[in-house]
Amino acid sequence: QQQVKQSPQSLIVQKGGISIINCAYENTAFDYFPWYQQFPGKGPALLIAIRPDVSEKKEGRFTISFNKSAKQFSLHIMDSQPGDSATYFCATGNNRLAFGKGNQVVVIP
Amino acid sequence: DTAVSQTPKYLVTQMGNDKSIKCEQNLGHDTMYWYKQDSKKFLKIMFSYNNKELIINETVPNRFSPKSPDKAHLNLHINSLELGDSAVYFCASSLGTSGSYNEQFFGPGTRLTVL
Repeated sequence: QQQVKQSPQSLIVQKGGISIINCAYENTAFDYFPWYQQFPGKGPALLIAIRPDVSEKKEGRFTISFNKSAKQFSLHIMDSQPGDSATYFCATGNNRLAFGKGNQVVVIP
Repeated sequence: DTAVSQTPKYLVTQMGNDKSIKCEQNLGHDTMYWYKQDSKKFLKIMFSYNNKELIINETVPNRFSPKSPDKAHLNLHINSLELGDSAVYFCASSLGTSGSYNEQFFGPGTRLTVL
């Protein structure tokens, strides 16, 4: 049973462009919405997270937008760089995290 | 200083063998996890321990047995390995299990290949 659904599955962006990946969740009781970044051969690492009482959070070039009524949150990567090429996972949950299937982002020079 | 470490990094073994993967965290966290990541990169939780007590036990074959000797260690023992067990296994830890305390720190992974 998949509690979070990510889209698109993969994304190719030109350097300097904006990468947008989306996550839809099911349970309105969830209270923590992180995005994780995973490089090949490494473990996932927390990139940015948001709580449901705010609609947007920005950290450097990375922004989470949260839409509680639509049960969706998205990750925006501004001024995308080749070093941002990675797999991005959204997750949510209460006493456990359910991870989405991952979005592969490729930033081409 | 490695926050979450796993050994070994690579494990190649024959079908039917028994193997163990070890995990240690030096973050002072109370909760530890084992995840399986398949070839399509899907991260699936297997087990979670909080203060040495099993709190999550997903639908995993009972050939997989976790063991937590103390809060900082969570090992995974796999009996009678099968081809389908080939995957990358990640250990993770977090302060707690609710809200932002659930921020999970992952180890580097153990790539298990069963021949």
